[in-house]
Amino acid sequence: KQEVTQIPAALSVPEGENLVLNCSFTDSAIYNLQWFRQDPGKGLTSLLLIQSSQREQTSGRLNASLDKSSGRSTLYIAASQPGDSATYLCAVIETSGSRLTFGEGTQLTVNP
Amino acid sequence: DADVTQTPRNRITKTGKRIMLECSQTKGHDRMYWYRQDPGLGLRLIYYSFDVKDINKGEISDGYSVSRQAQAKFSLSLESAIPNQTALYFCATSDTTRAQGTQYFGPGTRLLVL
Repeated sequence: KQEVTQIPAALSVPEGENLVLNCSFTDSAIYNLQWFRQDPGKGLTSLLLIQSSQREQTSGRLNASLDKSSGRSTLYIAASQPGDSATYLCAVIETSGSRLTFGEGTQLTVNP
Repeated sequence: DADVTQTPRNRITKTGKRIMLECSQTKGHDRMYWYRQDPGLGLRLIYYSFDVKDINKGEISDGYSVSRQAQAKFSLSLESAIPNQTALYFCATSDTTRAQGTQYFGPGTRLLVL
């Protein structure tokens, strides 16, 4: 059974700092990996999706990497802003391309 | 307008009551999913559907049932609600023709079972 772990569970940083969120998964037979953002009381917004054949994806200040063999992904946020405060969720899609397995998330607070 | 909508957004019900949560999408996607989110447990898959005639159980389907009335509609039912079904419920969609499998989520339904 696939298990996804995110470390740390919570992170508080001053504005402007670069930061890294970590995600690990136990079964490397994944189809792709997706990073989401969740604001309090809101749904999930997809940030980046990395296909299993890729090593990284970039969108603006966000960069996600994937090392399938070691079962790890990182989300790098450059020059953090208070508006980045949210919970960030990592999820893997099985090889069947159907089931998303989520980590519990990292709650990020960026202080002005 | 939102691509994936869920109704109701909030619901309070009593133990033993039947309740239905509804999801509609305008994205034209063939696949739809129901998840629940609990503090400390993350999001877990309840049911998923690849098309109108294809329904599959997820990891926590006990106590739930679903209906795919049309490609755009996927309903989740709690036949006899119990307090440990109190959670935040999300509907999601994805498109088979887009091999990346990106899932798009609705805003969620917050359910409280007393």
